Amino acid sequence: GENVEQHPSTLSVQEGDSAVIKCTYSDSASNYFPWYKQELGKGPQLIIDIRSNVGEKKDQRIAVTLNKTAKHFSLHITETQPEDSAVYFCAASRGYSTLTFGKGTMLLVSP
Amino acid sequence: ETGVTQSPTHLIKTRGQQVTLRCSSQSGHNTVSWYQQALGQGPQFIFQYYREEENGRGNFPPRFSGLQFPNYSSELNVNALELDDSALYLCASSLQTGGDYGYTFGSGTRLTVV
Repeated sequence: GENVEQHPSTLSVQEGDSAVIKCTYSDSASNYFPWYKQELGKGPQLIIDIRSNVGEKKDQRIAVTLNKTAKHFSLHITETQPEDSAVYFCAASRGYSTLTFGKGTMLLVSP
Repeated sequence: ETGVTQSPTHLIKTRGQQVTLRCSSQSGHNTVSWYQQALGQGPQFIFQYYREEENGRGNFPPRFSGLQFPNYSSELNVNALELDDSALYLCASSLQTGGDYGYTFGSGTRLTVV
């Protein structure tokens, strides 16, 4: 089955800096790669996703890049703000099949 | 458009007991998946229900079972609770057609087994 690895496990940045979280996946048939933000006491919330026919996608301060050959994808957050502090999860799936999650990255943005 | 709602939000059970968790899917979604999230870990897939039938299962024992109802809501049942079953149980709904692969998660039920 699919295996997703995520790095780093924790990331501390200063407000205004950029943050990058990286994930690798094992199943070359995976074609959907979402990123979720989970705040304390809440369920994961989708923040951005990308499909295998696209190399990069942007939404304001958030971007995701995908390298199918290397089987890795990354989340980029620019101009970080304290409210970006949360746990971020990457995931992978084949179409409508179940999501396989990474272990998460705790992002701490200091004012 | 309503999101995914789960009940109860918190629950404390004794080892050996049985528990039922409930989930109402997002309006327009026909599929419900259940995930277990241990502290400090990513969600782990338990099973998925589509058209009231189990449509995939992760590496969980048979004492984890579920149901989906005609209105697409769902239940997760766990028998013979063990201490390691303590976790956040997440329900996610999705639509199995139309090219939308996205899942919407509820806020979860925090289960503590003592």
